Amino acid sequence: NAGVMQNPRHLVRRRGQEARLRCSPMKGHSHVYWYRQLPEEGLKFMVYLQKENIIDESGMPKERFSAEFPKEGPSILRIQQVVRGDSAAYFCASSSLRGANQPQHFGDGTRLSIL
Amino acid sequence: AQSVTQPDIHITVSEGASLELRCNYSYGATPYLFWYVQSPGQGLQLLLKYFSGDTLVQGIKGFEAEFKRSQSSFNLRKPSVHWSDAAEYFCAVGVRTNDMRFGAGTRLTVKP
Repeated sequence: NAGVMQNPRHLVRRRGQEARLRCSPMKGHSHVYWYRQLPEEGLKFMVYLQKENIIDESGMPKERFSAEFPKEGPSILRIQQVVRGDSAAYFCASSSLRGANQPQHFGDGTRLSIL
Repeated sequence: AQSVTQPDIHITVSEGASLELRCNYSYGATPYLFWYVQSPGQGLQLLLKYFSGDTLVQGIKGFEAEFKRSQSSFNLRKPSVHWSDAAEYFCAVGVRTNDMRFGAGTRLTVKP
């Protein structure tokens, strides 16, 4: 499967724990985007990364959230000290080129539930 | 500010009936417009896109959309809906590389 791969598909954490969400972009794609989807809402942009660089993190909460896209391996979205409000579906997308006209290819998401 | 509005939160149509999902955008320049579909528990799949040229664009699964600059709209249509079309549909505007604005989505239910 050459699509965008996200794991885990479902993640359950207790308040105060850490959540790590992984995303492997499509083969040949070097642009990765993370979105959050709350129930009954559309996707909200969080962060845009290229290999080893964070290009835009304007949609990411200032505290507890971080993202990386190392030279080797998947992109990681990390949420520290999770709270109930972090419960959501987190989607990763990738594109091969930069530009507003580049379609983004989405993974199936990680559903994060906070107990 | 750039925004995307999908006025209908939930639409129910009978199988075989025609479908139109509305999308309005607010953006100063000619936008890049997309329609995505999301089946339950899955990610978004691109249905079609508009960049320039012919204002009527064809997509996958028998969908089409028409760009109307005067109305700032990009409505999605299908002449005959199938039960498998039941899903959530999102309109999106590509503003910058890292700024794709999504509408809140329209949930489509298909009655047998």
